[in-house]
Amino acid sequence: DQQVKQNSPSLSVQEGRISILNCDYTNSMFDYFLWYKKYPAEGPTFLISISSIKDKNEDGRFTVFLNKSAKHLSLHIVPSQPGDSAVYFCAADSGGGADGLTFGKGTHLIIQP
Amino acid sequence: NAGVTQTPKFQVLKTGQSMTLQCAQDMNHNSMYWYRQDPGMGLRLIYYSASEGTTDKGEVPNGYNVSRLNKREFSLRLESAAPSQTSVYFCASSAHPVGSYNEQFFGPGTRLTVL
Repeated sequence: DQQVKQNSPSLSVQEGRISILNCDYTNSMFDYFLWYKKYPAEGPTFLISISSIKDKNEDGRFTVFLNKSAKHLSLHIVPSQPGDSAVYFCAADSGGGADGLTFGKGTHLIIQP
Repeated sequence: NAGVTQTPKFQVLKTGQSMTLQCAQDMNHNSMYWYRQDPGMGLRLIYYSASEGTTDKGEVPNGYNVSRLNKREFSLRLESAAPSQTSVYFCASSAHPVGSYNEQFFGPGTRLTVL
């Protein structure tokens, strides 16, 4: 059973508008959540994270919101730029050990000019 | 700093052949990981090494072996390749400070095709 779900395989947004990418999780043991960005033929790169004790973390144009009671988080990109076109992965970490992250399937964000 | 490097970038194997994927990091990280990514899927953990001298199975370890050669290097071996192992393989490393999130740094990937 998938513990981290990204239900939108793709999302198309006009340049300059807000992009909202969603992620749901099932495991209450997750302590941290991370967003990774991936361009074709490259490895994923870390974008932003949030601890389960917070409900918002902001870094420039990127803001992640966490609703712990709903087991839901979202990544907001404002304003969206052409270089933001990529696949975005939501990932979760239990924080207790050095085992791997649990990834969602990803959302392909396409920024339209 | 090169970060995380992987070799080769591309490889084509025939069913039953063996090969080793190499990974090295120059960030002095303790933990290293191997993931595979298949179309429409997220990254799935194959094996990880929390520290030099230790390795553990991840979500999809069958058909693979790993070696943590030293702190810098972590290799993934396919003893008898199968078409189901056609995938893109990513190596990652992390410092994983205690009480903080596990930010992992990824290599560029190896695209493997098994015929």
